[in-house]
Amino acid sequence: DTEVTQTPKHLVMGMTNKKSLKCEQHMGHRAMYWYKQKAKKPPELMFVYSYEKLSINESVPSRFSPECPNSSLLNLHLHALQPEDSALYLCASSQDPGNTIYFGEGSWLTVV
Amino acid sequence: GIQVEQSPPDLILQEGANSTLRCNFSDSVNNLQWFHQNPWGQLINLFYIPSGTKQNGRLSATTVATERYSLLYISSSQTTDSGVYFCRLIQGAQKLVFGQGTRLTINP
Repeated sequence: DTEVTQTPKHLVMGMTNKKSLKCEQHMGHRAMYWYKQKAKKPPELMFVYSYEKLSINESVPSRFSPECPNSSLLNLHLHALQPEDSALYLCASSQDPGNTIYFGEGSWLTVV
Repeated sequence: GIQVEQSPPDLILQEGANSTLRCNFSDSVNNLQWFHQNPWGQLINLFYIPSGTKQNGRLSATTVATERYSLLYISSSQTTDSGVYFCRLIQGAQKLVFGQGTRLTINP
């Protein structure tokens, strides 16, 4: 069983909605990640938080807004998304940014 | 930036066969991980292997960092081995790169 928990597992939202994806880990890891994965493609890095501070933003559009309330939690706030943003969103964590990474089960997002 | 190439892109085998998946990379890396993504999207850690050889049951992996490649071996394949296998490279703390993956299909 994964020790990185993501909710919800499935989300359908309209282009005018505001929603959030949530991620939690209790392994004491200090780095947390958001990845986006489209069908038949590898995961694509979006954001990295290291010690609760945003350390990497891979030029992600502002309609995606990450938040790290504490070392165990990571949120991804979604607003005014487009249908092409429909994808599997994966959260992950690692002891430090250069260490073994562990993924959650992902949140399947559909924008209608 | 660092380039990663996985081969073959697709592999179809019968149950019981053995397979070798390859990950080539263009620059030195601090670490390398192999993952299996199952049909439900879950990415499962297989190996964290910056160098040397590791084995876990029917799976083993070898990384030759000086020659910039890693190999994943699957022996006596089972249908549950189907999915996509990714290598992920770690270069410092800022370069985190996935390969394009190898899609493995094991037929009964």
